[in-house]
Parts: sequence; C-alpha cells; structure tokens
Amino acid sequence: AQSVTQLGSHVSVSEGALVLLRCNYSSSVPPYLFWYVQYPNQGLQLLLKYTTGATLVKGINGFEAEFKKSETSFHLTKPSAHMSDAAEYFCAVSQYSSASKIIFGSGTRLSIRP
Amino acid sequence: NAGVTQTPKFQVLKTGQSMTLQCAQDMNHNSMYWYRQDPGMGLRLIYYSASEGTTDKGEVPNGYNVSRLNKREFSLRLESAAPSQTSVYFCASSEGDRAGQPQHFGDGTRLSIL
Repeated sequence: AQSVTQLGSHVSVSEGALVLLRCNYSSSVPPYLFWYVQYPNQGLQLLLKYTTGATLVKGINGFEAEFKKSETSFHLTKPSAHMSDAAEYFCAVSQYSSASKIIFGSGTRLSIRP
Repeated sequence: NAGVTQTPKFQVLKTGQSMTLQCAQDMNHNSMYWYRQDPGMGLRLIYYSASEGTTDKGEVPNGYNVSRLNKREFSLRLESAAPSQTSVYFCASSEGDRAGQPQHFGDGTRLSIL
C-alpha cells in the first residue's frame, strides 16, 4: 500500500533563508508525486509534480523538489524564503492507474519570520 | 476563470439535519472528487466520480451520498448530520482519472455540526 509521511507538522524559517520541507513515501511501484500548497481559507493549489523523467522538478513560486528513489524521498526546497510563502504544504503520492488513488500527507505548516 | 466553485462557504447544522454541498467546475473535466480535511490528517477522499454517470466510494464514505448531476456538477449530501462530520469539505476535479493528473480544488465548505 502507498503512504506519505511529512516530517514536521510546523516549520519556521527566517525571510531569505532556505526552505526545506521533508516528504517520504512508500510505494511498491514507481510513484507519481505531488506537492500542493494551501493558503488560509483556500483550496489546494498544485506546486509541482513528478511523473517520469528528470528527477529534479521545478514548480511555481521558485520551489523545486527532487525525487530520490533510493531514499524514497521527495523533499521540497526553495533557496530564499519570502513572507508570501507562509502556508500549509501537502505532499501526495499516486501509484495506481487511477488519479483517485492520491494519498495526501498530513501537511506541514510553514511560517516565515521577518 | 472560476475553476471549481463550492457553495456554501460556511454552514452550521444541528445533529440530524440534512444538507447538500454543491460543486461545479467550468474546466470541462471528466473526473470530480469530494474530500474532507481535518486537523493533522491531511485530505481524505469521501467519494469520487471518474466520469459522468459513475460514482465510487473513497476512504471515508459512511454517512455521505453523492450525485454526479452532469459533467459540471457533483454534489455531496449528508442525510443525517453528526458532530463527527464537522470538517472542511473540498471538491476537486481533474481532466481524467489517470495517475499523474493533478487535481484542481475549490475553496472549501466549512461545516459545523452542533
């Protein structure tokens, strides 16, 4: 069965600092992986996704993530945090032939200190 | 560009009351989904509709029913609301029901059951 673990329910960084949000997955076959962002009182928006091919995936707002099969990880990074990055971030995995089988992690709330 | 529209945005019900949450998408997507979001638990799939005319149970279907009214609209009904159904409900859509296809979310309905 597939599963997703996000390490750290809350991460706080200073403005301009590196953002690193951790995601590990469990999947018996090559997965499809996603990062979504949720701003207060809004729905989830797709940041980036990995399907096949290049393991370093670039997304919107300067975020990127690297698929590491050997570590079963898909960590999200951004070189320099901005105040507008404060939000909740969800990692998700899809394994089967159906998009309905997306499993979401429990989320990581990112706070940015001035 | 409305995307996915959910109504109402907020609702308070008494235990035992019934209610229908409405969802409509204008992206000509084939697949639609209903999730609930509870603190620390990410998103859990309630029901989905892979295409017009079909519906299937997700992870937590008990206490809910759905109707795929047409390609645009997918409603979620609580026949007899219970306090355990207090949650934020999200509707989502995707172009099709294949792994790797991102889902587009509405802004949610915040439902409280007293």
